[in-house]
Amino acid sequence: TQLLEQSPQFLSIQEGENLTVYCNSSSVFSSLQWYRQEPGEGPVLLVTVVTGGEVKKLKRLTFQFGDARKDSSLHITAAQPGDTGLYLCAGAIYDSNYQLIWGAGTKLIIKP
Amino acid sequence: SQTIHQWPATLVQPVGSPLSLECTVEGTSNPNLYWYRQAAGRGLQLLFYSVGIGQISSEVPQNLSASRPQDRQFILSSKKLLLSDSGFYLCLGGRFSGELFFGEGSRLTVL
Repeated sequence: TQLLEQSPQFLSIQEGENLTVYCNSSSVFSSLQWYRQEPGEGPVLLVTVVTGGEVKKLKRLTFQFGDARKDSSLHITAAQPGDTGLYLCAGAIYDSNYQLIWGAGTKLIIKP
Repeated sequence: SQTIHQWPATLVQPVGSPLSLECTVEGTSNPNLYWYRQAAGRGLQLLFYSVGIGQISSEVPQNLSASRPQDRQFILSSKKLLLSDSGFYLCLGGRFSGELFFGEGSRLTVL
């Protein structure tokens, strides 16, 4: 069974602090995506990383794909209350079929 | 562009009643289709996926079933709902290129 371990599961920090969410697996992914989800709605894509070692920035969010394409991190600088939500990572594997493996999610709360 | 229409958006059903959630795809053909369930505050759990008409793979044993009678139609069903079936159900479509597209989601409450 292919797993994508996401940590921490829950994080509550003060506004202005930095944080990092991790997704790790023993599987090699063709691509990895990060999503953010609001309650009652579907996930919204934040970024897709494809190349080992790739780093992408989205304002205060920095996404990194591991060199071996087995892990990824999401770093938020100077977190704001608007960053509150559920963050999900999903790794895609292309072999004879297309598989999408989801992390369990990180519930992030930013306190003002 | 590809879109998925999923319905109903909200459903309240008594225990033991049947269930039918449906999603239809527009803008692409032969997509991979997925049904996911999400419990409150948790990540997405894959229930079923389909690579083509009549082809269904089940990831988690349960009282739910899925069918794909047409290339662009994916249905999630149950003959008798349990309390534990409550949750947010999401239909996803995927292309081999990695592009994903989402349904709007269905919130099921079993009473």
